[in-house]
Amino acid sequence: EIVMTQSPATLSVSPGERATLSCRASQSVSSNLAWYQQKPGQAPRLLIYGASTRATGIPARFSGSGSGTEFTLTISSLQSEDFAVYYCQQYNNWLPWTFGQGTKVEIK
Amino acid sequence: QVQLQESGPGLVKPSQTLSLTCTVSGGSISSGSYYWSWIRQPAGKGLEWIGRIYTSGSTNYNPSLKSRVTISVDTSKNQFSLKLSSVTAADTAVYYCAREGDEHSAVAGFDYWGQGTLVTVSS
Repeated sequence: EIVMTQSPATLSVSPGERATLSCRASQSVSSNLAWYQQKPGQAPRLLIYGASTRATGIPARFSGSGSGTEFTLTISSLQSEDFAVYYCQQYNNWLPWTFGQGTKVEIK
Repeated sequence: QVQLQESGPGLVKPSQTLSLTCTVSGGSISSGSYYWSWIRQPAGKGLEWIGRIYTSGSTNYNPSLKSRVTISVDTSKNQFSLKLSSVTAADTAVYYCAREGDEHSAVAGFDYWGQGTLVTVSS
């Protein structure tokens, strides 16, 4: 099973600032990487797939990059609605699909 | 707009079988090229993929749960279901159903989710 490791566990950021979240895979997943946002009491929402493609309706301030084993989600200017937990997930060929443990983005 | 809705008992006794159903609306479960998955999340923890069923009816399961999981589909009702046997307290979680595009879909990842249903395993 591919292990996904996210860092940091918690990121404290002021509104308007940039947030950079990392995700590392235990082996290459090519570009088969998705990012999700989850707010309390809600289901996760797909933000990014294919490592860098924004899902429908996702604002341009969200961007993804990376390939192989190292990935980054960047939120260019944090809005109040962006404070949430973010998960990465790999879907590269070999099941089971696995998620990272999450990064909580909180208000500084 | 596709919508998914989980339903089933919120309380299951240890050693019994957890049974949940996901009803899909806004589109036919048997059209298009999609996988229909179950994912769970213990309180305050991360997400675990349980397994999925394809439009054709073929299934894939997480090896960690494979011996206890069965996912099935009822196309006449536009539903798919999860059965998890021999449950323990460790199976207490919010259970989500979700849609995933296949290799030919324009979108990858889980693009539609149900709102989740809490299942507690307790006597």
